[in-house]
Amino acid sequence: QKEVEQNSGPLSVPEGAIASLNCTYSDRGSQSFFWYRQYSGKSPELIMSIYSNGDKEDGRFTAQLNKASQYVSLLIRDSQPSDSATYLCAVIGKEGGSEKLVFGKGMKLTVNP
Amino acid sequence: KAGVTQTPRYLIKTRGQQVTLSCSPISGHRSVSWYQQTPGQGLQFLFEYFSETQRNKGNFPGRFSGRQFSNSRSEMNVSTLELGDSALYLCASSLTNWKEKLFFGSGTQLSVL
Repeated sequence: QKEVEQNSGPLSVPEGAIASLNCTYSDRGSQSFFWYRQYSGKSPELIMSIYSNGDKEDGRFTAQLNKASQYVSLLIRDSQPSDSATYLCAVIGKEGGSEKLVFGKGMKLTVNP
Repeated sequence: KAGVTQTPRYLIKTRGQQVTLSCSPISGHRSVSWYQQTPGQGLQFLFEYFSETQRNKGNFPGRFSGRQFSNSRSEMNVSTLELGDSALYLCASSLTNWKEKLFFGSGTQLSVL
């Protein structure tokens, strides 16, 4: 059973701070990695996708991938109260000839004004 | 452009019954995937369809099945409902595969009594 683990949280940061969200995965063969944001009572929405080692930046968001350590992270710079949500790490892995999108259980982030 | 539409929004069923959920993807999207979300297990992948064929499958029992029609609309069926099937069922669509951006619907909240 392929697993994706996220810190249990919740995480609380002051407005303007950097929020750091971490995720580890068990399938060494995984090639595709995603961060989704889910506001309370809403559906997940994709924030970042990353496929190769290193950093990928998009505005205030930076995704970092280290395949050797099987680790992917999301940094949110200049955090805003509107960033308060649950962040889900997701990984595509292969099992039994089928690809599966496996989600972590999520980390709830609260940004305090 | 209309988003992903799921119907019905809420369902209440009793144990042993069966249920069919519907998902209409964004126009032009040919990949449809289904997910179960519960507070305890988080978001779990059920299956993915492309061009009327099940392309990938998660680790759910055979009571969970689905299909996709020629217009890319998809249905998910759960037979012999159990209390543990109570969950939010989300559908997502993408152009051709889920390594691209997934767009989620609002979900169907299923309660099994």
